[in-house]
Amino acid sequence: DAGVTQSPTHLIKTRGQQVTLRCSPKSGHDTVSWYQQALGQGPQFIFQYYEEEERQRGNFPDRFSGHQFPNYSSELNVNALLLGDSALYLCASSRDANEQFFGPGTRLTVL
Amino acid sequence: GNSVTQMEGPVTLSEEAFLTINCTYTATGYPSLFWYVQYPGEGLQLLLKATKADDKGSNKGFEATYRKETTSFHLEKGSVQVSDSAVYFCALSKTSYDKVIFGPGTSLSVIP
Repeated sequence: DAGVTQSPTHLIKTRGQQVTLRCSPKSGHDTVSWYQQALGQGPQFIFQYYEEEERQRGNFPDRFSGHQFPNYSSELNVNALLLGDSALYLCASSRDANEQFFGPGTRLTVL
Repeated sequence: GNSVTQMEGPVTLSEEAFLTINCTYTATGYPSLFWYVQYPGEGLQLLLKATKADDKGSNKGFEATYRKETTSFHLEKGSVQVSDSAVYFCALSKTSYDKVIFGPGTSLSVIP
């Protein structure tokens, strides 16, 4: 049984560009959450998707947007990239009231 | 708002030493409490959890007890190994599927 998978593993972009990160949840999971982890810090909640709708959102600007597909996979989009967007982006999946399982993350570097 | 505070690192211990990483939280109601571990270059793994007061979570020799009266969830292990070297995050959520609020993390290095 595959766990949570994310792609790509690493990504390098320049300021002002746009990026799309992808996440496939663990089999049987229907809820996907995204987190940003800056170097040396704890992860910060970006948003959560359930039934293809954004259910919760953290304190991130509108440049951060997402989508969930009918197969429960999800994308995180970031527009107008800033240097400060450089971080590890983590996806987590869950179902009902069970715990969240995290993927290995996508390391985004903005130059 | 809800928040998590944990002891600053880095923490360096010799193999077989006793480990304590302190964690306190601020939250309304009765959140679920977690310890996650992040090995170098990897994502987060749930180490243990507790969902109500006085619950003890345990896994791989690690333990933590949910103390409502002191709003604490300290992580302990009686004898650490080199393979325990990682960053440990204390965290909470209102429910298991709600957003998880993490502490800043404590880096642990265990030397032979």
